[in-house]
Amino acid sequence: EEYLVESGGGLVQPGGSLRLSCAASGFTFSTQGMIWVRQAPGKGLEWLSYISPSSRTIYYAESVKGRFTISRDNAKKSVFLQMNSLRAEDTALYYCARVKGSSVPVMWFDPWGQGTLVSVSS
Amino acid sequence: QSVLTQPPSVSGAPGQRVTISCTGSNSNIGAGYDVHWYQQLPGTAPKLLIYGDSNRPSGVPDRFSGSKSGTSASLAITGLQAEDEADYYCQSYDSSLSGSVFGGGTKVTVL
Repeated sequence: EEYLVESGGGLVQPGGSLRLSCAASGFTFSTQGMIWVRQAPGKGLEWLSYISPSSRTIYYAESVKGRFTISRDNAKKSVFLQMNSLRAEDTALYYCARVKGSSVPVMWFDPWGQGTLVSVSS
Repeated sequence: QSVLTQPPSVSGAPGQRVTISCTGSNSNIGAGYDVHWYQQLPGTAPKLLIYGDSNRPSGVPDRFSGSKSGTSASLAITGLQAEDEADYYCQSYDSSLSGSVFGGGTKVTVL
């Protein structure tokens, strides 16, 4: 079965940093694009970042560009999200998901992990 | 303010048909980019429901169907069941943002 497990969330002060991890199993990770999406408490989904299988192509949402960095380690079947300069509005449940579809403009996401909670507060 | 607009809520009695709209613009749905739909049951992660406008992944009941026309897309649920109570999100690509975008989500209530 295809499976994603996020970790690394927690409580951090404004201006702090956190690194999220997402471990994959059940599919050939090195051939799949990956994304991060977040969901603030009681709110909808927000796409954050995309990384191609080779890490050659990376995209970010404007809301996190310059503060968040996506990366991956195909040998460890993991994707990461380095989050710096965190703000209260970054408080959310962070999901990773596998990308499906032939190219970025047609991509959809399946499966999703269960999420890891990030709380930014003093 | 989401790039894709969905009604906050829809409701229906068991067995009825409900539809959820997803309205975009000429930089996303209107440009021909595919629309995908996700179901999020309470307290769980989103699950893919429809991909490529109207395709159902294996295991998704045929009560769920998707369509697209112009700058809008729709998700229809026929024969509504209590287990369909959830939040539903549309997703597409936006060329002006160079990234994926989601609708604000629609809560479906079974009366």
